[in-house]
Amino acid sequence: GAVVSQHPSRVICKSGTSVKIECRSLDFQATTMFWYRQFPKQSLMLMATSNEGSKATYEQGVEKDKFLINHASLTLSTLTVTSAHPEDSSFYICSARDETSGGLEPDTQYFGPGTRLTVL
Amino acid sequence: AQSVTQLGSHVSVSEGALVLLRCNYSSSVPPYLFWYVQYPNQGLQLLLKYTTGATLVKGINGFEAEFKKSETSFHLTKPSAHMSDAAEYFCAVSAGYGNKLVFGAGTILRVKS
Repeated sequence: GAVVSQHPSRVICKSGTSVKIECRSLDFQATTMFWYRQFPKQSLMLMATSNEGSKATYEQGVEKDKFLINHASLTLSTLTVTSAHPEDSSFYICSARDETSGGLEPDTQYFGPGTRLTVL
Repeated sequence: AQSVTQLGSHVSVSEGALVLLRCNYSSSVPPYLFWYVQYPNQGLQLLLKYTTGATLVKGINGFEAEFKKSETSFHLTKPSAHMSDAAEYFCAVSAGYGNKLVFGAGTILRVKS
């Protein structure tokens, strides 16, 4: 149980295009999902907190118009990198918090396998 | 605010030796503490966590960690390293239920045969 998937696992795109990354909780409902960015050999930096049915909360310094987040259902959040540029190349990881009553580990974040974005 | 310091960006041990990965935290409120492991090009897997109660926490794959409030530490240990333990390990802290995670910089564990 407590599996989070991401799609795609790897994407290469041209500068100026937009890329959408999906994050799904497969066997539990997640009111809250998180989007992280990880640069090579560095730690995870929280970009935003995605809340089902409401606007995402962005961390300081993260451009909300650049990184669009939609959390349309209790099992799906999407991150769209708009007008991507080479400096947006990174490893993007999502996580989902199991907040359901009787969940395996309440308040634990379960992480997806990540999406490697390369912008040429 | 919360912060995490992981001492040692790289740790190397021999197979069968003790694994000790150090984590110190700062928190203005009683913390929740976590250890995650990341294999190359993969997401993070939860090893163990401390919220309240028993300060010695046992996790998966033979790992355990002890919450020491007086030392603001949450070091990760394993009595005997296995080659499959080679990975990057992240310590994280949150301000309790419903709060975001703050990660340390990570420690890469190398296991020598």
